[in-house]
Amino acid sequence: QITLKESGPTLVKPTQTLTLTCTFSGFSLTTSGVGVGWIRQPPGKALEWFALIYWDDDERYSPSLKSRLTITKDTSKNQVVLTMTNMDPVDTGTYYCIHTQEFYPFDAWGPGTLVTVSS
Amino acid sequence: EIVMTQSPATLSLSPGEGATLSCRASQSVSSNLAWYQQKPGQAPRLLIYGASTRATGFPARFSGSGSGTEFTLTISSLQSEDFAVYYCQQYNKWPRTFGQGTKVEIK
Repeated sequence: QITLKESGPTLVKPTQTLTLTCTFSGFSLTTSGVGVGWIRQPPGKALEWFALIYWDDDERYSPSLKSRLTITKDTSKNQVVLTMTNMDPVDTGTYYCIHTQEFYPFDAWGPGTLVTVSS
Repeated sequence: EIVMTQSPATLSLSPGEGATLSCRASQSVSSNLAWYQQKPGQAPRLLIYGASTRATGFPARFSGSGSGTEFTLTISSLQSEDFAVYYCQQYNKWPRTFGQGTKVEIK
């Protein structure tokens, strides 16, 4: 059974850097084709995919956020870490960690973590 | 970027009625189209992938169809647990993109 869980700060100030960790179980990020990524959802709004890392270190980013993002993996800890720089109030929302495989959609989700950007 | 457009934004129906949700892609995504169900306060769940394959745990009253740019999610007879927001998403090209969602609410 695949499980994922997000952790990180619930409140960040504008201009600060957000660091979120996804800790997962039930699969390995060394298995061919496997990927772990991030999706966010502002309150009352739609879902937005923005970052993903594959088993072979292939990194994918949303073009609109790419300059602010870094995604890394630690296979020994079963973790994926996301950093997003220069946070703004419009970045407020629930951030989800997801599992995927090449040529497949997002088939497992963490419960999400609400991040508020406010001074 | 492929833009996904869902209609209608809201569908007000009674339990037992059928629901038809539409999703249109700004360019062909072949059959690389997924549907997700999201209930209040919960993470989305994968419902349909490959445009028409039901994910584990969802009953046969849910069905998906379409290919290319036009897709449909059909719920044959709404149960109380089906009232939720449904999103379509393409995974044919990067960046992966979602529609804005259709809320299926109780009339």
